[in-house]
Amino acid sequence: DIQMTQSPSSVSASVGDRVTITCRASQGISSWLAWYQQKPGKPPKLLIYAASSLQSGVPSRFSGSGSGTDFTLTISSLQPEDFATYYCQQASSFPFTFGPGTKLNIK
Amino acid sequence: QVQLVESGGGVVQPGRSLRLSCAGSGFTFSSHGMHWVRQAPGKGLEWVAVISYDEINKYYADSVKGRFTISRDNSKNTLYLQMNSLRAEDTAVYYCAKDRHLLSAVDYWGQGTLVTVSS
Repeated sequence: DIQMTQSPSSVSASVGDRVTITCRASQGISSWLAWYQQKPGKPPKLLIYAASSLQSGVPSRFSGSGSGTDFTLTISSLQPEDFATYYCQQASSFPFTFGPGTKLNIK
Repeated sequence: QVQLVESGGGVVQPGRSLRLSCAGSGFTFSSHGMHWVRQAPGKGLEWVAVISYDEINKYYADSVKGRFTISRDNSKNTLYLQMNSLRAEDTAVYYCAKDRHLLSAVDYWGQGTLVTVSS
């Protein structure tokens, strides 16, 4: 199975900051990577698919990049509603696997 | 708009069975793969299973293989998860989720149903 890791596990930032979250796969997954945002008590929300494609309705301050084993999610200018937990997920081979999550806290 | 509504969760004893259902609407259910994803209390997301639009392909997480069965009834726009030989570690919120395209990312999620395995 493909293992996914994320760094950092948590980060504190302020409104307006630029934040980057990293996701690494234990083997190459081409661009078969998605990013999700989850707020407490809510289901996840798809932000990015195919490593860099923005899901419809998601603000353009979110962007994704990478291929192979190393990927990043960048939020260009944090807004109050962006404080949440972020997960990456590989869709290259079954079983699909999620990263452990990165909690984005308000500084 | 896309709606996914799970049902069937509850408290069940270890070793017993439970069947979850998920009713889909607002999209062409029979054209999309469907997933189950779970989240134990206070923990991260764990992918459980996926079924292709035509039921031909089914894949499972190692942790549930041989115990859980995913199925669907396209005539009823409904997804199922039959869970047998339940264990305490299966306690989680179970989300039904719509595949975006070609069994890849999940683009819509239900609100989830809580399964608690406890004696």
